[in-house]
Amino acid sequence: DIQMTQSPSSVSASVGDRVTITCRASQSVSSLLAWYQHKPGKAPKILIHSASSLQSGVPSRFSGSGYGTDFTLTISSLQPEDFATYYCQQASSFPYTFGQGTKLEIK
Amino acid sequence: EVELLEAGGALAQPGGSLRLSCAASGFIFNDYAMSWVRQAPGKGLEWVSVISGSGGGSTSYTDSVKGRFTISRDSSNNTLYLQMNTLRAEDTAVYYCAKSWRGSSIYYNTFDSWGRGTPVTVSS
Repeated sequence: DIQMTQSPSSVSASVGDRVTITCRASQSVSSLLAWYQHKPGKAPKILIHSASSLQSGVPSRFSGSGYGTDFTLTISSLQPEDFATYYCQQASSFPYTFGQGTKLEIK
Repeated sequence: EVELLEAGGALAQPGGSLRLSCAASGFIFNDYAMSWVRQAPGKGLEWVSVISGSGGGSTSYTDSVKGRFTISRDSSNNTLYLQMNTLRAEDTAVYYCAKSWRGSSIYYNTFDSWGRGTPVTVSS
């Protein structure tokens, strides 16, 4: 199985801050990687697909980059609604696997 | 607008069975692969199973549920199912259905729409 490791596991930040979350795969997943936002009691929401493509309707303050084994999700200017848990997911091979999550909290 | 509505979650005994369903609307159901993803209490997301579109002839499962869970779909009523047998305590989780972004193949799936989940508790 491909292991996905996110860092940090949690981060405290303020509205307006720039935040970067990293995701490392245990082997290459090419660009077959997505990022999701998940709030308690709600449906997870895709932000980025294909490593760097912004999903339709997602604000442009979210961006993704990377290829192979190393990926980043950047939020350029945090908004109050961005405080949530973020997951990366590889789609390269079965079983599809997620990172352990990064909880973004208000400072 | 895509809508996915899960149902069927309940309290079940170890060794018991449950069938989850996911009613889909707002897209051509037959054109997309569908998955189940779960989240155990206090844990992250875990992919469980996927089924292809166009009749559902291809499936894949995570190892921990192989031989116990069966994914299926009914295009006549746009519904995805997960038959869960021989349940274990470690199957306790919220179960989400998710639509493939890519299309009908089970390969290279990321998920562009999700339901809000249905909770399953396995306990005596």
